[in-house]
Amino acid sequence: DGGITQSPKYLFRKEGQNVTLSCEQNLNHDAMYWYRQDPGQGLRLIYYSQIVNDFQKGDIAEGYSVSREKKESFPLTVTSAQKNPTAFYLCASLTGRSGANVLTFGAGSRLTVL
Amino acid sequence: GESVGLHLPTLSVQEGDNSIINCAYSNSASDYFIWYKQESGKGPQFIIDIRSNMDKRQGQRVTVLLNKTVKHLSLQIAATQPGDSAVYFCAENVGGTSYGKLTFGQGTILTVHP
Repeated sequence: DGGITQSPKYLFRKEGQNVTLSCEQNLNHDAMYWYRQDPGQGLRLIYYSQIVNDFQKGDIAEGYSVSREKKESFPLTVTSAQKNPTAFYLCASLTGRSGANVLTFGAGSRLTVL
Repeated sequence: GESVGLHLPTLSVQEGDNSIINCAYSNSASDYFIWYKQESGKGPQFIIDIRSNMDKRQGQRVTVLLNKTVKHLSLQIAATQPGDSAVYFCAENVGGTSYGKLTFGQGTILTVHP
């Protein structure tokens, strides 16, 4: 089954701790994205990567970091600098081939800060 | 401080009725639009997309209409079924940038009553 796997599904963190959310895809997609979703709101872009070893900030990158060492993997670290980290985090991927511009999303990871 | 969630627009319909979900987009430079469906606790699923050189596109039971003059997008679902109950998001992309960099609307809750 091809798709995007996010883990963990639920995560609890104490204030001041960094946490890393995993995102793995076996779709052979070039580009990967992290979005944040808050209750009653649309998704907002945190970071994205269009190619291995390269990534760009999205609209709300402060307090987050990413890496893209492998095509299949795009982990997101929520650092202690993120002031309001409780949210639903969604990873997505997109093929770079012309004409196939649809984002495929994972099932999400829900982070709660205690 | 704690953020307060926005109250999403809601639409309630009877099973078998047609549903129309509306979306106003903000950027006149956007040239690609997409509708996603999100069920509770899951990632968004692609429904249908449309490019700015079109004003209508049809899929299976769904139609998207684009009015660039007033920057308005709508999703029509024919013969709505209980399984269509979800939050529906429109999203836009500005031409020339990564197609995964989407700006999402806040969403509309669709409830289908049997």
